[in-house]
Amino acid sequence: GAGVSQTPSNKVTEKGKYVELRCDPISGHTALYWYRQSLGQGPEFLIYFQGTGAADDSGLPNDRFFAVRPEGSVSTLKIQRTERGDSAVYLCASSPTSGSYNEQFFGPGTRLTVL
Amino acid sequence: AQKVTQAQTEISVVEKEDVTLDCVYETRDTTYYLFWYKQPPSGELVFLIRRNSFDEQNEISGRYSWNFQKSTSSFNFTITASQVVDSAVYFCALTLSGGYNKLIFGAGTRLAVHP
Repeated sequence: GAGVSQTPSNKVTEKGKYVELRCDPISGHTALYWYRQSLGQGPEFLIYFQGTGAADDSGLPNDRFFAVRPEGSVSTLKIQRTERGDSAVYLCASSPTSGSYNEQFFGPGTRLTVL
Repeated sequence: AQKVTQAQTEISVVEKEDVTLDCVYETRDTTYYLFWYKQPPSGELVFLIRRNSFDEQNEISGRYSWNFQKSTSSFNFTITASQVVDSAVYFCALTLSGGYNKLIFGAGTRLAVHP
């Protein structure tokens, strides 16, 4: 079956612009996670959705970052007024349920470059 | 606070050598899960193994084996008879029990296996 997909695979933008990153989880997976991976680092948690609601957004760095999942499937991570420090690979993952024992299935990521 | 440390930034071996990737974790919780993920050059994180804090049995899967020792808070990963296809970045991760799977990753170890 299809895995987690993310679009675009690469995004280059200018400082101050707005960007949207999209994640299509595996069909039927209720839990969805966003992570950010800076060069040479491990992924860092940003936000977790259970169904349509953001159950934990404690990892979002500031109020320029926002994410939605209106129908409990596709999620969009939105970044306003981008800064050079936002450059990273943004990873999305999904799992069948929310349990902490669950394997997460990761997408290939979106590489964001802010010039 | 929870933390995962992978002290080895890069390891380089010749094919057929055995190699061990170290992982040390910190948590005050008594119930937690530990994971290993592989990130090949394509970028997609691939799940390798999950252990819960009550199961210290070592595990072997083909050429891969894992040694979990609560006494030293370590969860080390050994690849026997390494192959070029094992070249990747390997991440150790921790999550707390109860609720959802908010992974806390180490910085990763880049393994290069040369022919």
